[in-house]
Order: sequence, then C-alpha cells, then structure tokens
Amino acid sequence: QSALTQPRSVSGSPGQSVTISCTGTSGDVGAYNYVSWYQQHPGKAPKLLIYDVSMRPSGVPDRFSGSKSGNTASLTISGLQADDEADYYCCSYGGVHPFGTGTKVTVL
Amino acid sequence: EVQLVESGGGLVQPGGSLRLSCAASGFTFSSYWMNWLRQAPGKGLERVASINRNGSDSYYEDSVRGRFTISRDNAKDSLYLQMNSLRAEDTAVYYCVRNRGWEQFDFWGQGALATVSS
Repeated sequence: QSALTQPRSVSGSPGQSVTISCTGTSGDVGAYNYVSWYQQHPGKAPKLLIYDVSMRPSGVPDRFSGSKSGNTASLTISGLQADDEADYYCCSYGGVHPFGTGTKVTVL
Repeated sequence: EVQLVESGGGLVQPGGSLRLSCAASGFTFSSYWMNWLRQAPGKGLERVASINRNGSDSYYEDSVRGRFTISRDNAKDSLYLQMNSLRAEDTAVYYCVRNRGWEQFDFWGQGALATVSS
C-alpha cells in the first residue's frame, strides 16, 4: 500500500487561492473523516493546520480550509501570502502509510 | 503551553544503537497516545512507532519492527525510542509527536537528528 498521492508542487501569486489534492483509497481517505493537513517550513517541525477533514486548531487562520469528496481530500489556501510558501502534507487514518507524498507551495 | 523536547540524537555507525528521549510538559501526558515520526533528508514524513496511554500496546512501521522499541514513563512525562541495529536508511530527523486521536498529530517537538554512517 502506497502513501497518499499529492501533487509535487503548486504555485500562485499573492492574494490568489491554491488547492492541494490528496488522493487515497476507500480504505483510508474514503472510509474515515480523519484527514489532517500539516505545514512545514524549511528546517522546522511540521504544524497541524487542519484535522477531522475541515477543522482548524486555535490560531490557524481561516484562509486555510479542508474538504473531502470520495477518496480525495483537499486543502485550499485563500489569499495566498509569502509566508505560505512551505511544504504541505496530508495524513489519513486507516492506511498503512498515513502520510501523503508532500506538496511544495511556491508563492510567485 | 504544550512542549515536547527531544534529546539523544547523534552520529552512530551502522549496526550501532541510539536512544532518543522526549520530555513532555504543559499537558496530561498519560492521557495521550504518543508517536515517533521521522523525516529522512529531503524526504517526506513517516510514522515510526506509536504507544498507547499506559504503555501496554505499541505499533511499529514494518521497516523498524524488531529493531526499534518505543516506551514511556508517565511518572516522568517522558517518551523514549530505543533504536538498535541501525542502518544508513534510518538517518533522519526524529520527531516526538502527540496524537490527538485517529492518527492526527497536534503537537510536535523540534526534532532530533540521527545520522547512521561509517
């Protein structure tokens, strides 16, 4: 069983919106509403952005939103800012390998 | 404030051993499953091991099962990872991570680098 599939990279200009997909299977993403998303800046530990598909921990801006349809979860970053340039990972309960392959977001 | 502070990383030869420790504070340690996750240089995140609240049950990734042992001391609010028979492919930053439930990781330590090289 492979890791969840994410696009290698996405990019956008400041103020725009970008969406990162996370494709799993009917045994993980499709079976449970336990998808989480993490932001990781270079040299830093990952930070939880979204849990339970669409819930934000205290302190995470509402520019970050999560959703799910079938076996694919998505993270949308609205009003893109320079500090959003980072790596993003999805994670789902149920799989042998819970984490996604990671997506680098570049702010143009 | 939740804090997780790892220690014990370093350089070790292939076949050697390392013991990582994680000191937890700011929350009721015994109420949470805890995990060790790792990230090899330039690579993605990988779950290594998990342990339940009282330490009676644990889970290991296939690649480390039989070589690594996760344990905890709730009296000391501490998590441990004993790593034996280390291989070059175990080189990574190891993170001590709190599990809020259902494989969702809400607080991470700063990481401890373990380098396996001759």
